[in-house]
Order: sequence, then structure tokens, then C-alpha cells
Amino acid sequence: SAVISQKPSRDICQRGTSLTIQCQVDSQVTMMFWYRQQPGQSLTLIATANQGSEATYESGFVIDKFPISRPNLTFSTLTVSNMSPEDSSIYLCSVGRGSGYTFGSGTRLTVV
Amino acid sequence: KQEVTQIPAALSVPEGENLVLNCSFTDSAIYNLQWFRQDPGKGLTSLLLIQSSQREQTSGRLNASLDKSSGRSTLYIAASQPGDSATYLCAVNNNAGNMLTFGGGTRLMVKP
Repeated sequence: SAVISQKPSRDICQRGTSLTIQCQVDSQVTMMFWYRQQPGQSLTLIATANQGSEATYESGFVIDKFPISRPNLTFSTLTVSNMSPEDSSIYLCSVGRGSGYTFGSGTRLTVV
Repeated sequence: KQEVTQIPAALSVPEGENLVLNCSFTDSAIYNLQWFRQDPGKGLTSLLLIQSSQREQTSGRLNASLDKSSGRSTLYIAASQPGDSATYLCAVNNNAGNMLTFGGGTRLMVKP
């Protein structure tokens, strides 16, 4: 299965600022997925990122708030923009095939 | 739209007990189902993957079963240990390479 390196692992940010999270995969993958896990909750899909096209966002998530880049088949970034305390969550990237899904180690974001 | 439910939401047992975690899903047309473990504030670790054509998978003290027609999966943990304390997540994949739909998780505490 693929190995994903995600960074930063955690950050504390001021409200109104932005944070960019990076995920590097050790093999080429067509789709990468970005999830959010709010405190005490399960994972919710933010968007699916395909290389060479615009990301597809789930209901409740918009590109202006969570812009995603996918410059090649092994790398993607998620930016959390104009942050508020409600954005405090764990953000995870994932890749998957028929053999199962692998997740990055997560970015624990606290907005103060 | 696929919905995944996990019961119980939390479970506390003494060390050594055998236990069963339950997962149910509404759309039985799944591609596969995956069980994950998540330690507090961390990413997800894959435990077992069951393809739609399979009935069960085993890894060490863990056994996962799948009854696709009834929309159910169970994760059996034998001889539980304090190190098993974590949140266990069930996730369903309806199409190969597509997003996962997660249950709410079962928070397990194994007491010494």
C-alpha cells in the first residue's frame, strides 16, 4: 500500500490567517482525498483532488475556504483560509485503490 | 446516499475479554469495507480490508466479518489488552478508487 507523508503534524494559528497542509505520496495515484475530523466526530470528506483538473468539493465545503492544489500525481496541498476557531480539527489526506485506503498521519489544527 | 452506523459508540471492558464491534450500512452495493484504528489526536491505521466477495478477514487477534446482503460487518477482538484502547472506525467504499463513508466510531477502553 502507498505511504503518505503529511505535514505539518500540528499547528496553532491565529484567527484570520491561512494554513497550507501538504501530502506527499510515495507512488503515483489518480485521486487524493481530503477529510476533516472535528473534535469528537468521525471523518467527513472535504474534496477529491484529481491531477490536472479542479477539485470536487462536497456539500458544505467551498473552494474559497479550502483551496486545493494537485500539481502532479504524488503531491497535493489543502489550504484552510481565513481561519476561525470552528476550523479547529484534524485534517487528513488519503489515497486508495481496490486494495484499500491509506491515510496520512493527520494535521491537528487549533485556531485561537 | 450511503450511511454507516457503528454500535456501541463507547465500550469499556476489563483486560482479557473478547468483544464485538458492530457496523451497519444502508447501501449493500459496496466494493469493500475497511476497519481502522485511531489513537487520540492521530491518523488512521488500517486493520482489515474485506472485499465485497469475501465473508471475513483475520489478522492476529482481530477478525472482521461481512454480511453484505444484510448490510453488516463486525470486528471481533480476542483477549483484549490495554494497548487495544483506541477508537475503531468502519468505512465503506461503494466504488473502487472512490471516497470512503465512515461510521461514527466506537471508542474502546480496555482496563488493566
